[in-house]
Amino acid sequence: EAQVTQNPRYLITVTGKKLTVTCSQNMNHEYMSWYRQDPGLGLRQIYYSMNVEVTDKGDVPEGYKVSRKEKRNFPLILESPSPNQTSLYFCASSSPGQGVNQPQHFGDGTRLSIL
Amino acid sequence: GDSVTQMEGPVTLSEEAFLTINCTYTATGYPSLFWYVQYPGEGLQLLLKATKADDKGSNKGFEATYRKETTSFHLEKGSVQVSDSAVYFCALSAGSYIPTFGRGTSLIVHP
Repeated sequence: EAQVTQNPRYLITVTGKKLTVTCSQNMNHEYMSWYRQDPGLGLRQIYYSMNVEVTDKGDVPEGYKVSRKEKRNFPLILESPSPNQTSLYFCASSSPGQGVNQPQHFGDGTRLSIL
Repeated sequence: GDSVTQMEGPVTLSEEAFLTINCTYTATGYPSLFWYVQYPGEGLQLLLKATKADDKGSNKGFEATYRKETTSFHLEKGSVQVSDSAVYFCALSAGSYIPTFGRGTSLIVHP
């Protein structure tokens, strides 16, 4: 089954404790991205990657890191989490190989609470 | 830059009512337009799309027509059900595969 898998689905942690949210897709998609969703603000893009070893900042990259060492994986790293990073996070992927402007495939989300 | 504006919610309807969620956009070139739906506790999933002017996307009883002259892509459904309660996102993708999303509109359908 074609899917984007995020882990963990829920995490409660404390300020300053490094964490990683993993994202993996099995569709051989070139494009992957991370969003955060906050009430009243919609989806805001954190980082995106056009392909392996290529990453770019989105609209709200501060406090986050990403890497794209393999095509299928795109982990989101919070080196020193702070309470303002408490949010619902989504990973997404798509492929231009099927034609331009293809829809995004989303994971089920990771709810992070930073105390 | 590109942008998508959709009506603020929540939209509250009774079952079997007619639904319209407005979406307008600004973009360079000829974007593809999408509606995504997010059910409670889940990620976004594609509901329908249209790739050129006058195209109509449809799925699960929902429809939206790509109107280039009014730069709009309004979502409609003739008779909503309680199970349609969700958040709906309008989005576009123009010239690359980096999408632009609206802020989402929450729909609440009462029995």
